[in-house]
Amino acid sequence: AQSVTQLGSHVSVSEGALVLLRCNYSSSVPPYLFWYVQYPNQGLQLLLKYTSAATLVKGINDFEAEFKKSETSFHLTKPSAHMSDAAEYFCAVSSGGSNYKLTFGKGTLLTVNP
Amino acid sequence: EAGVTQFPSHSVIEKGQTVTLRCDPISGHDNLYWYRRVMGKEIKFLLHFVKESKQDESGMPNNRFLAERTGGTYSTLKVQPAELEDSGVYFCASSHPKGITHGGELFFGEGSRLTVL
Repeated sequence: AQSVTQLGSHVSVSEGALVLLRCNYSSSVPPYLFWYVQYPNQGLQLLLKYTSAATLVKGINDFEAEFKKSETSFHLTKPSAHMSDAAEYFCAVSSGGSNYKLTFGKGTLLTVNP
Repeated sequence: EAGVTQFPSHSVIEKGQTVTLRCDPISGHDNLYWYRRVMGKEIKFLLHFVKESKQDESGMPNNRFLAERTGGTYSTLKVQPAELEDSGVYFCASSHPKGITHGGELFFGEGSRLTVL
């Protein structure tokens, strides 16, 4: 079975500081990995995805994530936080070798302080 | 192009009542999924349609939940009778026929929040 662990249900950073949201996964097959973001009162939006190409993946709004197979990690980073980055972030892995069923982490709520 | 739309955005019902949630996927997306997030928990897969056929309904909690996608367009998710533990946010998503393994992605709606009192 696939699983995702997001360390820290709530992360708080200052505006301009580095954002680091942690995600570790468990998968018996080469995984597809995703980060989704949910802004207040909106749906889930794809930030970036890893699908077995480059291990460093760049997404929207200057977010990026690095797939590290040896550490089974897919941490999300952004060099400088903006107030508009305040949202809930979800890491997800494709499940069971299928191409559709996502297994999500519990989410990390990011707060950006002025 | 319109995104995935869900209706209603919020529904409050009493235990034992029936609720029907609707999802309109992006036009041309054969794949339609339902997910649910119960408060404080992770988002969990409920089921997957390919056109009008149920490809996988392994995540459906019990037989009080019925999903349909007549004609392969919009989908409905009915909960009858609703129980307190059914409260949560129900997300619908759709994807291109090629799916995730071919570089596609899931496009999510804003969710339907269900509160059962």
